[in-house]
Amino acid sequence: AQRVTQPEKLLSVFKGAPVELKCNYSYSGSPELFWYVQYSRQRLQLLLRHISRESIKGFTADLNKGETSFHLKKPFAQEEDSAMYYCALTGTSYGKLTFGQGTILTVHP
Amino acid sequence: SQTIHQWPATLVQPVGSPLSLECTVEGTSNPNLYWYRQAAGRGLQLLFYSVGIGQISSEVPQNLSASRPQDRQFILSSKKLLLSDSGFYLCASVHREDTEAFFGQGTRLTVV
Repeated sequence: AQRVTQPEKLLSVFKGAPVELKCNYSYSGSPELFWYVQYSRQRLQLLLRHISRESIKGFTADLNKGETSFHLKKPFAQEEDSAMYYCALTGTSYGKLTFGQGTILTVHP
Repeated sequence: SQTIHQWPATLVQPVGSPLSLECTVEGTSNPNLYWYRQAAGRGLQLLFYSVGIGQISSEVPQNLSASRPQDRQFILSSKKLLLSDSGFYLCASVHREDTEAFFGQGTRLTVV
């Protein structure tokens, strides 16, 4: 069975500090990994995915197949990064997503 | 990109009453459609998905059903709500040639 684990339900940092949101997964195959974000009063939206290998809003995430991890990182957090972050994966069938439980990130001024 | 319209935004219903949540999609055709639910303290769980009109697959046994009467319309229903049906329901759409999911604003359902 596939599973996504986000061990931190809440994460608080100060503006300008580095931030890392952890995500571990289990999947017997080659999944596609995503980070979705939900800002206050906005809908859930894609932040980035591992196949794009790009930085979005200063965030990066590297897929580590050996550790089955897909941690989200940003070197200098901003207040506008405060949001709910979900790690998710999809396997081979029909784009179905398996989500982690989410991490609420709060960036303090 | 796609736009997902989902309504109502909030709903309070008594136990035993029926439910109908509707979702419509703009900006794509023949998408895969999904209903997810987030119960209190838990992550988003897939309830149903559909790969075409009239084609519904259920991921978890439950008191709910789904229908897709038109290509870009997806409906979540129940004949008799239970307290355990309370939660946040999200409709999502994925274009067949991509993997990015687009989400509606969600419906907060409280069964009392």
